[in-house]
Amino acid sequence: EAGVAQSPRYKIIEKRQSVAFWCNPISGHATLYWYQQILGQGPKLLIQFQNNGVVDDSQLPKDRFSAERLKGVDSTLKIQPAKLEDSAVYLCASSLASGNTEAFFGQGTRLTVV
Amino acid sequence: GENVEQHPSTLSVQEGDSAVIKCTYSDSASNYFPWYKQELGKRPQLIIDIRSNVGEKKDQRIAVTLNKTAKHFSLHITETQPEDSAVYFCAASLLLELSFGAGTTVTVRA
Repeated sequence: EAGVAQSPRYKIIEKRQSVAFWCNPISGHATLYWYQQILGQGPKLLIQFQNNGVVDDSQLPKDRFSAERLKGVDSTLKIQPAKLEDSAVYLCASSLASGNTEAFFGQGTRLTVV
Repeated sequence: GENVEQHPSTLSVQEGDSAVIKCTYSDSASNYFPWYKQELGKRPQLIIDIRSNVGEKKDQRIAVTLNKTAKHFSLHITETQPEDSAVYFCAASLLLELSFGAGTTVTVRA
């Protein structure tokens, strides 16, 4: 089966600029996660969708980060404006149902803010 | 939300020896505990998981044990091989969330 698709793979932007990441989950997966993985650390959940509704966005810095999952399929994550500390790999994952089933990860988008 | 702690942060083992990684979780309601392996520059991939109604699960050279009373679970890799070198993450699922530990970098020395 096709995996989780993410784009772009790499992005370099200057601080205070805006950036958007795109994720296409595995077909039929209701749950979609966005994680931030800073170098040397574990993935940190930013936001979780169940279909097109938000389940948890408690760790999303809402003053600069936003995400949407229109129609319950593809999702975009936006950062506006970016800060140096936003440099990280942004991983999208999807699962058939809620948290107690296997999550499949995309390749990630490596963001560098200079 | 759930808080997952993972130890050690780095682990170096001789090829053929065993490796053990331990994780603790904070919420006794967590019921699903997957382990992911992330090779350099690649995505995390599930290697084994265990649910709260099971105490131990084994798949060839890897095994996971769960102690619900103590709220900890462990990954055991036996007869380690060079291809086992990677970062391993534990995770715990509470209700709808999946929370990860900080990771353990495992290096298998030839």
